Amino acid sequence: EVQLLESGGGLVQPGGSLRLSCAASGFTLNSYAMSWVRQAPGAGLEWVSIINTGGSTTRYADAVKGRFTISGDNSKNTLFLEMNSLRAEDTAVYYCARSASGWYRYDYWGQGTLVTVSS
Amino acid sequence: DIQMTQSPSSLSASVGDRVTITCRASQTISSSLNWYQQKPGKAPKVLIHVASSLQSGVPSRFSGSGSGTDFTLTISSLQPEDFATYYCQQSYSTPPTFGQGTKVEIK
Repeated sequence: EVQLLESGGGLVQPGGSLRLSCAASGFTLNSYAMSWVRQAPGAGLEWVSIINTGGSTTRYADAVKGRFTISGDNSKNTLFLEMNSLRAEDTAVYYCARSASGWYRYDYWGQGTLVTVSS
Repeated sequence: DIQMTQSPSSLSASVGDRVTITCRASQTISSSLNWYQQKPGKAPKVLIHVASSLQSGVPSRFSGSGSGTDFTLTISSLQPEDFATYYCQQSYSTPPTFGQGTKVEIK
């Protein structure tokens, strides 16, 4: 059974950093493109970043470019999102999602982890 | 970026009703359109991919149609478990973008 379990969210001050994890089970992480998608409180879905199959290519939303870094650890079958210089507008539930085919058709999602940026 | 516009933003319907939600892209996206259902406090769940293909395990009362810029999600007979928010999403180009959502509420 495919499962994605996010962790690492929490309360952080503006300008701070957090590292989110997404532990994958039931499949090999390296064989799929993986994304982070976020949802601010009461708002819609916003794509954040993607890493391709094999991990050689990454893409970022303009809103996070230069501040966030996506990566994967094949030995742990875990996806990461390193978030630096956090802003209030980064407050959201962060989901990891697996791409079924192509880059952006998602078939499995984690349950999400809440990041709150506030002083 | 491609803008995705859903209508309506919300609707009230009764069990058994036929419900239609539309999604319009700001430029052509071929059939690269997916539909997701999200319930409060839960992750999105894919219903339809490539505009009209039903995801495995999704009830057949859900259907999708369209291509180019105009797309439709139809629920043929609304069930109690279908009250949720629905999002369209284009997977045609980077960045992938979502519609603002359509909240389906009980009438």
